Amino acid sequence: GQQVMQIPQYQHVQEGEDFTTYCNSSTTLSNIQWYKQRPGGHPVFLIQLVKSGEVKKQKRLTFQFGEAKKNSSLHITATQTTDVGTYFCAASYNTDKLIFGTGTRLQVFP
Amino acid sequence: GEEVAQTPKHLVRGEGQKAKLYCAPIKGHSYVFWYQQVLKNEFKFLISFQNENVFDETGMPKERFSAKCLPNSPCSLEIQATKLEDSAVYFCASSRTTGYNEQFFGPGTRLTVL
Repeated sequence: GQQVMQIPQYQHVQEGEDFTTYCNSSTTLSNIQWYKQRPGGHPVFLIQLVKSGEVKKQKRLTFQFGEAKKNSSLHITATQTTDVGTYFCAASYNTDKLIFGTGTRLQVFP
Repeated sequence: GEEVAQTPKHLVRGEGQKAKLYCAPIKGHSYVFWYQQVLKNEFKFLISFQNENVFDETGMPKERFSAKCLPNSPCSLEIQATKLEDSAVYFCASSRTTGYNEQFFGPGTRLTVL
């Protein structure tokens, strides 16, 4: 079946350092969404990317969709302790269901 | 309501017992999705509904899992004869139109099978 690989699995950073997580698919995606899940919480929608090469920014977060629509990245500039959580990409392949990536757990040390 | 509601918050069942989980989507949302998140954080899609109609059930273990979304009632996910490997957090999500749009997740039901 379709799989979305996400790396790294874990990332520990010092507050103020940057963080990036990457998603890769072997097949072309219709769109990709990003979610954040705090420990013990539920996924919360961050953004959706639809167009090839699309770049979107939300304050310190930058989201990119690859030109071939097979990969995506989330970059956080100058991390804060409030950024702690697991970041998931979630892909659509011409269907409505989301295929979640394996997630990247971010820990930020003050 | 403005949030997806899920009940119960926690559910403990002995192996072989039945488990039933409920989800009330956001008012006005036509699509409901069920996901299973196991301890390693992996999400597995189970089933989706468009209103009361099954839209995609490709993720459902057919033998023991069933789900419904009936008019004027919360949606439900039922597991007959639970197994240890069913232990997980079950999330319900809803979206206004299709899954191509933002999905709003409920707080989840943690099922523990002993």
